[in-house]
Amino acid sequence: DGGITQSPKYLFRKEGQNVTLSCEQNLNHDAMYWYRQDPGQGLRLIYYSQIVNDFQKGDIAEGYSVSREKKESFPLTVTSAQKNPTAFYLCATSWAPKETQYFGPGTRLLVL
Amino acid sequence: GQQVMQIPQYQHVQEGEDFTTYCNSSTTLSNIQWYKQRPGGHPVFLIQLVKSGEVKKQKRLTFQFGEAKKNSSLHITATQTTDVGTYFCAGNDYKLSFGAGTTVTVRA
Repeated sequence: DGGITQSPKYLFRKEGQNVTLSCEQNLNHDAMYWYRQDPGQGLRLIYYSQIVNDFQKGDIAEGYSVSREKKESFPLTVTSAQKNPTAFYLCATSWAPKETQYFGPGTRLLVL
Repeated sequence: GQQVMQIPQYQHVQEGEDFTTYCNSSTTLSNIQWYKQRPGGHPVFLIQLVKSGEVKKQKRLTFQFGEAKKNSSLHITATQTTDVGTYFCAGNDYKLSFGAGTTVTVRA
């Protein structure tokens, strides 16, 4: 969706390095989410935030960290503790929790 | 906890044929949403069902919410190549939980 920006589209990193994925939105949505998608699989929730300065762990939070200092931004850091970080990462937003989610274009992370 | 299951995982369809994908929840849902992800793209919201037994149509797509609000289905008639992609249901209980999706391929 045009109102959600994820950068970069492709990201390559060496094993053991931390990497931060960007997610910016201009939809004025309160809630933001990070999902991980592996080939041929569904969406697994990593972290979500219902409001600025607050965030909650999702189903697979280990090895990831987030911050929500601004309403528009919800960056995700993939740390070296994440054992298998290569995946497609999707950011989403919604007006409120449980409402329709709007997804960004995603970032494909490849760790070599 | 809440679990949303989708079947089948893969659906190979001859162009022009119909098919149905099913979504089942372990808990009663307040509503259910359907999304479509084209190959290489990101999920896009299609529709939300709220009422028990609700049926909604979008052109060749028919969405249904079960009477018990624990299951849903998506039926596509006269499949076209533009229907290729992965269809996800997402059930709303105490949170929105996505199913694993049904990936649809079409034989011309």
